[in-house]
Amino acid sequence: DAGVTQSPTHLIKTRGQQVTLRCSPISGHKSVSWYQQVLGQGPQFIFQYYEKEERGRGNFPDRFSARQFPNYSSELNVNALLLGDSALYLCASSGDRGAQYFGPGTRLTVL
Amino acid sequence: EDQVTQSPEALRLQEGESSSLNCSYTVSGLRGLFWYRQDPGKGPEFLFTLYSAGEEKEKERLKATLTKKESFLHITAPKPEDSATYLCAVGVNAGGTSYGKLTFGQGTILTVHP
Repeated sequence: DAGVTQSPTHLIKTRGQQVTLRCSPISGHKSVSWYQQVLGQGPQFIFQYYEKEERGRGNFPDRFSARQFPNYSSELNVNALLLGDSALYLCASSGDRGAQYFGPGTRLTVL
Repeated sequence: EDQVTQSPEALRLQEGESSSLNCSYTVSGLRGLFWYRQDPGKGPEFLFTLYSAGEEKEKERLKATLTKKESFLHITAPKPEDSATYLCAVGVNAGGTSYGKLTFGQGTILTVHP
């Protein structure tokens, strides 16, 4: 079975631009969570979506938004990019047993 | 506020030299303690979930244990391929039927020399 997939793998943007990251969960998983990981730190929770509804939000500004589609895939949008948004963005999906399975991530560089 | 602290920050071992990594946590209503392995530039790889104090899980050279305040990841006779960052996280119900929010520690960077 395919694991969690994310696209694109790498992305370079300039300050002030907008970016959209995409995630496809493991087949049968209805929950998708997004995390930001900066170098040397553990992942930090951004959003959780379950059955297309936002179920949790971390301490991130309103420039960050997300949505989940009927096929349970998800998009993370970040507007007005700042240098500090440079990070590895991780998507994780989970079924009802709790464990979250992560994708390979999208490396975002903001210049 | 949920807090997870891992120690040591970095650990260097010789091949075959067993050791343990520590994860201490403060959370209201633990909904699961998770261990992940992360290789450079890649997403975390799921290893174990522990749900209650006294529980133990094993996988090859790794064994995870849980108490009411901390978890240990024991590595027996490690090999160079065990070199990675090991992440600990606690699960909190974010409102869905699954553990939507994980709070992570900063990780322990393990290096195993041949």
